[in-house]
Amino acid sequence: DIQMTQSPSSVSASVGDRVTITCRASQGIASYLAWYQQKPGKAPNLLIYAASSLQSGVPSRFSGSGSGTDFTLTIDSLQPEDFATYYCQHANSFPLTFGGGTKVEIK
Amino acid sequence: EVQLLESGGGLVQPGGSLRLSCTGSGFTFDIYAMAWVRQAPGKGLEWVSGISGTGGNPTYYADSVKGRFTISRDNSKNTLYLQMNNLRTEDTALYYCAKDFKTGAHYFFDYWGQGTLVTVSS
Repeated sequence: DIQMTQSPSSVSASVGDRVTITCRASQGIASYLAWYQQKPGKAPNLLIYAASSLQSGVPSRFSGSGSGTDFTLTIDSLQPEDFATYYCQHANSFPLTFGGGTKVEIK
Repeated sequence: EVQLLESGGGLVQPGGSLRLSCTGSGFTFDIYAMAWVRQAPGKGLEWVSGISGTGGNPTYYADSVKGRFTISRDNSKNTLYLQMNNLRTEDTALYYCAKDFKTGAHYFFDYWGQGTLVTVSS
């Protein structure tokens, strides 16, 4: 099974900051990677698919990059509504797996 | 508007069974792959099972549920199911159904239900 390792597990940031979250796959997954945002008590929301494609309706301050084993989610100019937990998920093969999550907190 | 509505959760003793349902609306249900994803209290997301559209084959399972859970769909009712047998305390979680974001089987999920809570306890 492919393991997905996210770092950091949490990050404290201020409004306007740039935040970078990384996700590493235990083996190559090409670009079969998505990023989700989850707020407390809510279902996850798809932000990025195929490693770098922005889902419709998602603000352009979110971007994704990477391929193979190393991936990055970047949030430019953090907004108050961006404080949430972020997860990566691979879709290269079954079983699908999620990363452990990164909580973005207010500094 | 796309909507997914789960039901069937509840309190069950270890070794018991439950069947979860997820009814979709606002999209052509039978051409999208679907999945179940769970989240234990205070924990991260765990993919549980997936099923392709139309014929409902193939199906896929996490190792943690293989042999105990069965995913199926009734496209005439726009409904996804998860039959859960021999439940364990570690199956306690909020269970979400989720829709593939494109036709074909890509297994990135753009719509999720609100979740149905399964509690396994004696």
